[in-house]
Amino acid sequence: EVYLLQSGGGLVQPGGSLKISCAASAFTFSNFAMTWVRQVPGKGLEWVSSISGSGRGTHYADFVKGRFTISRDNSKNTLSLEMNSLRADDTATYYCAKGLWYSGEDYWGQGTLVTVSS
Amino acid sequence: DIQMTQSPSSLSASVGDRVTITCRASQDIKNNLGWFQQKPGKAPKRLIYDASTLQSGVPSRFSGVGSGTEFTLTISSLQPEDFATYYCLQHITYPRTFGQGTRVEVK
Repeated sequence: EVYLLQSGGGLVQPGGSLKISCAASAFTFSNFAMTWVRQVPGKGLEWVSSISGSGRGTHYADFVKGRFTISRDNSKNTLSLEMNSLRADDTATYYCAKGLWYSGEDYWGQGTLVTVSS
Repeated sequence: DIQMTQSPSSLSASVGDRVTITCRASQDIKNNLGWFQQKPGKAPKRLIYDASTLQSGVPSRFSGVGSGTEFTLTISSLQPEDFATYYCLQHITYPRTFGQGTRVEVK
């Protein structure tokens, strides 16, 4: 069964950095684009970033461009999001996801809460 | 960027009701739209992709129609497990954009 297990997250001060990860299993990881979606507490879903299967293609929402970096290690079946210059409004639950716009099943991680506060 | 305007933002309904949710795109997205359901404390789950194709395992009371700029998700007979928040997502171009969400509540 496909599984996306997220790690990282937690409390970080404004201006700080944090890296969250997503370990994938039971599918050929390098064949699929992966995505990060976030949700501010009590608010809607926001697309954050996506990366192609090879890792050569990346896309970012304007509100994270220049601050966040998406990457993947296909040898370790791991997706990462490096977050720098964090702001209070980055406080959210971050989800990794696969297959959001392809035929077939979509899969989501369990979500990880990132809290930016002093 | 493509804006997705979803309406209503919330609605109250009873079990057995027919429920309709609309998403309007600020430009033509053809059929590059998905519908997602999210329950409190849980990750979202896609119900429909390509605007009208039902995800495997999703009950047939859910249906999607539309193309271009106007899209509709219909629940033909609301069931207790359908009380949740629903989102549309366009994927014709980056940045991807979600609708604001529609919360379906018990009347």
